[in-house]
Amino acid sequence: AQKVTQAQTEISVVEKEDVTLDCVYETRDTTYYLFWYKQPPSGELVFLIRRNSFDEQNEISGRYSWNFQKSTSSFNFTITASQVVDSAVYFCAPSNFGNEKLTFGTGTRLTIIP
Amino acid sequence: DTEVTQTPKHLVMGMTNKKSLKCEQHMGHRAMYWYKQKAKKPPELMFVYSYEKLSINESVPSRFSPECPNSSLLNLHLHALQPEDSALYLCASSHLGRGGYGEPLHFGNGTRLTVT
Repeated sequence: AQKVTQAQTEISVVEKEDVTLDCVYETRDTTYYLFWYKQPPSGELVFLIRRNSFDEQNEISGRYSWNFQKSTSSFNFTITASQVVDSAVYFCAPSNFGNEKLTFGTGTRLTIIP
Repeated sequence: DTEVTQTPKHLVMGMTNKKSLKCEQHMGHRAMYWYKQKAKKPPELMFVYSYEKLSINESVPSRFSPECPNSSLLNLHLHALQPEDSALYLCASSHLGRGGYGEPLHFGNGTRLTVT
């Protein structure tokens, strides 16, 4: 079983500021995947990024970047130069390797103030 | 536009009604999922179908009955629901039937169900 902690319940930032969403997970698996999903008010969950447990290289994709540190079980997600359209609930979700189960964290509601 | 289509968008039903939720995808995905999401809570897995066979049932009450008629369609039949079953029901699909192999789930917009 996995456990996910997203300690930030709600965050508000002014447009164009950078914002980092924290995620700490617990798992007994040695290999696994980590995901971030976004849920705008429309309700649809949108896949953003994924990382496998044996690759700690951090990457940047457009305005998104992530910092995966296996030693601290953290998988933080950063939005650079935030925009109003980034307002949504963001879920961190680990998945067992070879298993269809995603475990969603409690989510962080991000509000971008114009 | 989402590639996973769910109908209806909204549904109000009484506790004695029988209704069905429908989900369709044409991405060639061979795994399909039902999730339930209560207000201000994360989605919770209900069922997983892999290659049209039920592979995971997360101890869901029998008043929820899933069906996968073919690789593109997923239904959720509802009968004798309770008011606490009111929630957003999300359908998702993925490649290879193995979300754990790093294949992201593609979600529909959901059906917002209200049980009166």
